[in-house]
Amino acid sequence: DTGVSQNPRHKITKRGQNVTFRCDPISEHNRLYWYRQTLGQGPEFLTYFQNEAQLEKSRLLSDRFSAERPKGSFSTLEIQRTEQGDSAMYLCASSLVRSRGSAWEQYFGPGTRLTVT
Amino acid sequence: AQSVAQPEDQVNVAEGNPLTVKCTYSVSGNPYLFWYVQYPNRGLQFLLKYITGDNLVKGSYGFEAEFNKSQTSFHLKKPSALVSDSALYFCAVSSFTGGGNKLTFGTGTQLKVEL
Repeated sequence: DTGVSQNPRHKITKRGQNVTFRCDPISEHNRLYWYRQTLGQGPEFLTYFQNEAQLEKSRLLSDRFSAERPKGSFSTLEIQRTEQGDSAMYLCASSLVRSRGSAWEQYFGPGTRLTVT
Repeated sequence: AQSVAQPEDQVNVAEGNPLTVKCTYSVSGNPYLFWYVQYPNRGLQFLLKYITGDNLVKGSYGFEAEFNKSQTSFHLKKPSALVSDSALYFCAVSSFTGGGNKLTFGTGTQLKVEL
C-alpha cells in the first residue's frame, strides 16, 4: 500500500505526559500537512512542510506542540504536557505540488486518535 | 480568512434518487474547492476538486459538483444514490494567496441513503 500511513492508530495517555505521532507520506510527495479533528467538526489545519522546511503554523499550534520533517520524508508531531483538550484525531496528509499556484489534492492518512485521561 | 459552510448536518435520501449536499465558501482570491468523504474509522478520501475551467466537475464514484461563483457555492451531487454512499462528506476550500494550499473544512454533512 503506497498511501499515507500514520502510527500509532490509537494512543491513550495520562494528562501531563508527552506523546509523539509519526506520519509517512506518499513517497514522492513534497508537501506534508498536519490537521486535528474533533468530534462533530471538520479537520483544522495545524502546520505544513515543503520538503523539510516548516512553512506555516496555525495559531492552534501552541508551544506544547512541535513538528519535524527532518529529511523531507516522514514527519513527527510531538505534544508535550498533554491536556484533556488535546484529545482528538490527528490527521496527516501529503500532496505533490509541482509549481507555485497549483492546487493539488491532499491525500490523508487514517489518523491517530489521541485520548488524554 | 477563508471559511466553508455546510448548512445541513444530515441529508437523507432514498436509494436511486438524486442527492445534493450543499456547500458555500468564502475566500480571498480565486477559490480552490474540494470534496472529501470520510467513512467510520478511516481517513478522508478525495472525491473531486475545482480549480478552474468548467463549472461542473466530475469525480470518483459517480459524484459531481457544480461551482457557482456568483452564489459562492460548490454543491456535491449524484444522479442516483447508493446505500454505500452513506458517509460523512466534507467540503473544503483553499486559496493560493499566501501559499501553502492549506485546506479549510466545513463541519461535514452526514449522508444517509436508505433502501
